[in-house]
Amino acid sequence: DTGVSQDPRHKITKRGQNVTFRCDPISEHNRLYWYRQTLGQGPEFLTYFQNEAQLEKSRLLSDRFSAERPKGSFSTLEIQRTEQGDSAMYLCASSRTETQYFGPGTRLLVL
Amino acid sequence: AQSVSQHNHHVILSEAASLELGCNYSYGGTVNLFWYVQYPGQHLQLLLKYFSGDPLVKGIKGFEAEFIKSKFSFNLRKPSVQWSDTAEYFCAVTPGLTGGGNKLTFGTGTQLKVEL
Repeated sequence: DTGVSQDPRHKITKRGQNVTFRCDPISEHNRLYWYRQTLGQGPEFLTYFQNEAQLEKSRLLSDRFSAERPKGSFSTLEIQRTEQGDSAMYLCASSRTETQYFGPGTRLLVL
Repeated sequence: AQSVSQHNHHVILSEAASLELGCNYSYGGTVNLFWYVQYPGQHLQLLLKYFSGDPLVKGIKGFEAEFIKSKFSFNLRKPSVQWSDTAEYFCAVTPGLTGGGNKLTFGTGTQLKVEL
């Protein structure tokens, strides 16, 4: 397995701008998850896909956040009209069974 | 909803000391339990997991954890730590017996520093 990859690894943006992150899961993993991690905290669940279907969304995922997995392979997470409170590490994980494997994350800084 | 508590936020040990990191969870049903580790500059990696069976599970790099159902605990242990064990350790839980597709609920993590 080549592992979960995420792009970009770092993103600095100005408040109000839109940003999009990409996650490529381990091949043949049908489940894909997004989490957010802030300093001093453990990762918090955002949303989950099984194949292309988005099956669960956290209350943390405001209307400004949208995620897609159009062909059941890679996924994108978009944040519209970013706010300073969106600054965090955004983690992607994938799984075929109960065990989730994490990517390196995208660190977002909103100025 | 499930929750996870990790009581030790920062732990400093000397090399060769024994390690035990506490983890307690809150959930009424069957659970799957995990310990993940994040080494400096690296991504989260699975250290060990418990789904069912023998409550003492062994993971990579000499780590082990014991599931005590009556105490809702899943403490991580290592008899003798090394400097390379310096990392942040996260305990996590998902509902069990569902075949997967469940969100992980993480504790706040324990930052371990091992001094030479």
